[in-house]
Amino acid sequence: AAGVIQSPRHLIKEKRETATLKCYPIPRHDTVYWYQQGPGQDPQFLISFYEKMQSDKGSIPDRFSAQQFSDYHSELNMSSLELGDSALYFCASSLRDRDGYTFGSGTRLTVV
Amino acid sequence: QKEVEQDPGPLSVPEGAIVSLNCTYSNSAFQYFMWYRQYSRKGPELLMYTYSSGNKEDGRFTAQVDKSSKYISLFIRDSQPSDSATYLCAMSATSGGGADGLTFGKGTHLIIQP
Repeated sequence: AAGVIQSPRHLIKEKRETATLKCYPIPRHDTVYWYQQGPGQDPQFLISFYEKMQSDKGSIPDRFSAQQFSDYHSELNMSSLELGDSALYFCASSLRDRDGYTFGSGTRLTVV
Repeated sequence: QKEVEQDPGPLSVPEGAIVSLNCTYSNSAFQYFMWYRQYSRKGPELLMYTYSSGNKEDGRFTAQVDKSSKYISLFIRDSQPSDSATYLCAMSATSGGGADGLTFGKGTHLIIQP
């Protein structure tokens, strides 16, 4: 069965650089979510999209932005990277009002 | 105090034992309850999804929700070494997560000894 695909798997950036993370949800899923998981931490909700429109916003810094495209893939853009942005970034998708979220394998971002 | 409390462990049990994992929460608005399994450097994998109070069984896994006590549990029967992972409880007030998304517990690190 198709899963949530994220790319790249690993990314190393320097402080103040920009990073773009991509997410391809499960086909026919209409909702995409982005989460950030720091070392030893639980995932923290960043932002979600429903049918290509921003749905809800969590603890996403102003330096970050995201969008969902016509083919339903989503991108998380992160600018002016800080050391504290080093984390696992997960994308998840779901059918609205259905059974739970399916997470991708994540992108590990390291800021040096 | 975090909205969702979960003992981080580690919890170490022998193979074949029944495992009990628990979370407590403080937000009475939570209606949707999930358990995820996360292996090291992997994304969380949905194990169980329940709405409101009650029990749900799926193979070796049983999820229980007691909204009156604000307490949820996951039981694993006939535990296997491959069950060794971090187990995260998650919950939300709406099926879509709303403005807060899912609220996760810190996760319990489970070790099944062969």
